[in-house]
Amino acid sequence: DTAVSQTPKYLVTQMGNDKSIKCEQNLGHDTMYWYKQDSKKFLKIMFSYNNKELIINETVPNRFSPKSPDKAHLNLHINSLELGDSAVYFCASSRTSGENIQYFGAGTRLSVL
Amino acid sequence: AQTVTQSQPEMSVQEAETVTLSCTYDTSENNYYLFWYKQPPSRQMILVIRQEAYKQQNATENRFSVNFQKAAKSFSLKISDSQLGDTAMYFCAFMRVNAGNMLTFGGGTRLMVKP
Repeated sequence: DTAVSQTPKYLVTQMGNDKSIKCEQNLGHDTMYWYKQDSKKFLKIMFSYNNKELIINETVPNRFSPKSPDKAHLNLHINSLELGDSAVYFCASSRTSGENIQYFGAGTRLSVL
Repeated sequence: AQTVTQSQPEMSVQEAETVTLSCTYDTSENNYYLFWYKQPPSRQMILVIRQEAYKQQNATENRFSVNFQKAAKSFSLKISDSQLGDTAMYFCAFMRVNAGNMLTFGGGTRLMVKP
């Protein structure tokens, strides 16, 4: 059983398209996250979300939006894709308090052509 | 804002030897958490070790241990008896308490374990 699963693993698309990356966790966690890893391997938080609040990193363009249909899912929707959006996107989840270890998905490599 | 610095972009070590990866951070917070994550070529992010800032005792997990120096804002990772499977990128990360639990990562250190 995969604890945090992302789909798809690879996504190749054209500039200007809209795409979504799905994330599901079966750990019973109440907080989920999206991170972006660029070509130099630098990892940066994009969003932190639980059912009470969404925290957005101020550097994230508003073309990116997280959507959570329920506690176990946090999907990432991207509008009007640009070349610079090419990266690996990681979903993660954790408990809000107590053991706050974040468990990561396997990542989605997005390539914008 | 917090920053995390890993000053060693690449390191190598012979199998069975010991290696230490450096990490420094900058924060005005007093209560926080520090982590080391490993990212092998498979791309999966794997937790190596976690340290609570209010605990003076250094965390250990089998062959992995940290040297946490709160005053110096230093959090190095020591890997003992290095194994080929330890070859990976290693990321140091900082987490503020009560701030969405978001991780701030360092730039990573690529570790190569040589047979």
